[in-house]
Amino acid sequence: DIQMTQSPSSLSASVGDRVTITCRASQSISSYLNWYQQRPGKAPKLLIYVASNLQSGVPSRFSGSGSGTEFTLTISSLQPEDFATYHCQQSYSTPLTFGGGTKVEIK
Amino acid sequence: VQLVESGGGLVQPGGSLRLSCAASGFTFSSYAMSWVRQGPGKGLEWVSVISGSGGSTYYADSVKGRFTISRDNSKNTLYLQMNSLRAEDTAVYYCAKGRREEYHPLLYPDDWFDPWGQGTLVTVSS
Repeated sequence: DIQMTQSPSSLSASVGDRVTITCRASQSISSYLNWYQQRPGKAPKLLIYVASNLQSGVPSRFSGSGSGTEFTLTISSLQPEDFATYHCQQSYSTPLTFGGGTKVEIK
Repeated sequence: VQLVESGGGLVQPGGSLRLSCAASGFTFSSYAMSWVRQGPGKGLEWVSVISGSGGSTYYADSVKGRFTISRDNSKNTLYLQMNSLRAEDTAVYYCAKGRREEYHPLLYPDDWFDPWGQGTLVTVSS
């Protein structure tokens, strides 16, 4: 199974800050990495697919990059509605696996 | 596009439960569908996937032999039959739509979950 490791597990940031979250795969997954946002008590929502493609309707302050085993999600200027938990997920092989999540909290 | 889960509840260890996911707003039979769960305070765990035709199914090792995924394309509904439930199966269960009819990571690794339902809570406890 491919293990996905996110860091940090949580972070505190202020509105307007630039935030970067890292996701590492235990083996190469090419670019087959997706990112989801989950607000408290809500279902996850797709943000980025295949490492760097912005899902329709997602603000352009979100971006993704990486390939192989290391990936990043960047929020260029944190907004109040961005305080949530972010999950990465590999689609390269079965079983599909997720990272442990990164909780972005208000400083 | 909308997915609405139902069927969750409290069940004793060793018991059974069947979850449903009603789909609308898209051609249901044209898409693979998955179940993903989230234990209390935990991360997301993929559980199972079924192809659009229902001909192919895959399971996480943690549920293999106990859970069965199925679908009724005439009713636009996805199911998860859960037997021999354990305390560690306690979670919110989400259904989610795949990108295409087939689920085949070797051939089509560019896949993702979108959208997700609102989830249904399953609690396994005596």
